[in-house]
Amino acid sequence: QVQLVESGGGVVLPGRSLRLSCAASGFTFNNYGMHWVRQAPGKGLEWVAVISKDGDKKYHADSVKGRFTISRDTSKNTLYLQMNSLQSEDTAVYYCAKGLRHLESWGQGTLVTVSS
Amino acid sequence: EIVMTQTPLSLSVTPGQPASISCTSSQSLLHSDGDTYFYWYLQRPGQSPQLLIYEVSNRFSGVPDRFSGSGTGTNFTLKISRVEADDVGVYYCMQSLQLPPTFGQGTKVEI
Repeated sequence: QVQLVESGGGVVLPGRSLRLSCAASGFTFNNYGMHWVRQAPGKGLEWVAVISKDGDKKYHADSVKGRFTISRDTSKNTLYLQMNSLQSEDTAVYYCAKGLRHLESWGQGTLVTVSS
Repeated sequence: EIVMTQTPLSLSVTPGQPASISCTSSQSLLHSDGDTYFYWYLQRPGQSPQLLIYEVSNRFSGVPDRFSGSGTGTNFTLKISRVEADDVGVYYCMQSLQLPPTFGQGTKVEI
């Protein structure tokens, strides 16, 4: 069955960097676009970034553009989110999700806390 | 960006009774390819979101048939024919016609 397992979250100082990973299994990873979606504590869902199945197209939300970068490694069946210049507003649970138009499977999420 | 607006934002339901949630988009979600890129998700307490309905009215794999979706253009509805205790959580609508994909504010459903 489809499994998406996020990792890499933690507590980080403002202005620092963090890289999230999403290990995918149970499906042909390079056949699917992939997304990152985040959820601030007690808030709704906010889309962060998407990458095409072959990795040549990437789009980021305006709120993270220039600071975050989505990427993928098909040899490792892994999705990444490089997060630089982190701000307190980036504090959230970050989910990876499978699919291009519809996010059909989601991981359990990894919590990123940006705090001094 | 396309704005998604859900009503109501909270809903108290009785097991065995029907329930309905509405979602309105700021522009039509009908693509030139004929598909309408509109979805419903449920986030149960403490869990990640799960896809319920895709492209307005198609139940995703494993979703009980008490869930149904309808609508066209900019107005969409999720109906639960007979609410069960397992249906509590927050329901989100989402569009992926245009980037960025956008979600509604969420509707909290409780028994």
